[in-house]
Amino acid sequence: EAGVTQSPTHLIKTRGQQATLRCSPISGHTSVYWYQQALGLGLQFLLWYDEGEERNRGNFPPRFSGRQFPNYSSELNVNALELEDSALYLCASSRGQEGYGYTFGSGTRLTVV
Amino acid sequence: SQQGEEDPQALSIQEGENATMNCSYKTSINNLQWYRQNSGRGLVHLILIRSNEREKHSGRLRVTLDTSKKSSSLLITASRAADTASYFCATAITGGGNKLTFGTGTQLKVEL
Repeated sequence: EAGVTQSPTHLIKTRGQQATLRCSPISGHTSVYWYQQALGLGLQFLLWYDEGEERNRGNFPPRFSGRQFPNYSSELNVNALELEDSALYLCASSRGQEGYGYTFGSGTRLTVV
Repeated sequence: SQQGEEDPQALSIQEGENATMNCSYKTSINNLQWYRQNSGRGLVHLILIRSNEREKHSGRLRVTLDTSKKSSSLLITASRAADTASYFCATAITGGGNKLTFGTGTQLKVEL
């Protein structure tokens, strides 16, 4: 069974540009979660999608947005990049119901210069 | 502040010793989970304990949950160098669906 795949692995952008990160969940998982992990810090919750709908959003500005496609894959967009957006962005998937653990991808390392 | 906070922030032990990490949280939960992260890569799910459970085992892992104290502990017995990683607790708060809020993590180093 394929795991959660994220692309690209690394991304270097200039301040003010836009970044698009992609995530494909495990087959059968309908929920996708996005987290930001700045260097040496914990995971900050960004977004949760299930069945194509945004279920919850973390305390991030509106320039962080995303969507989930009919095949349950997901995209995270970050507009007007700032230096402090540099971080590891982790995607995870799970079954939609409560009580299931997450399967994480290996992450996208975004560097804003 | 974080829903979950781990203690200690860092732990260094010798191979063969036991490692204990603690997690405290603030609000009512449906379940609590522990994850491992190696060198800034993706996290790996270790174990899930539900709010009506007090203890759970998986291989060399033992997790306890005390909902009255809003705390959990992860015990790794007979540690190995390969256990060197960061360990995070994560909570699914009551009414929050399956969204997890992660703690600050404990960096475990197991030396030969």
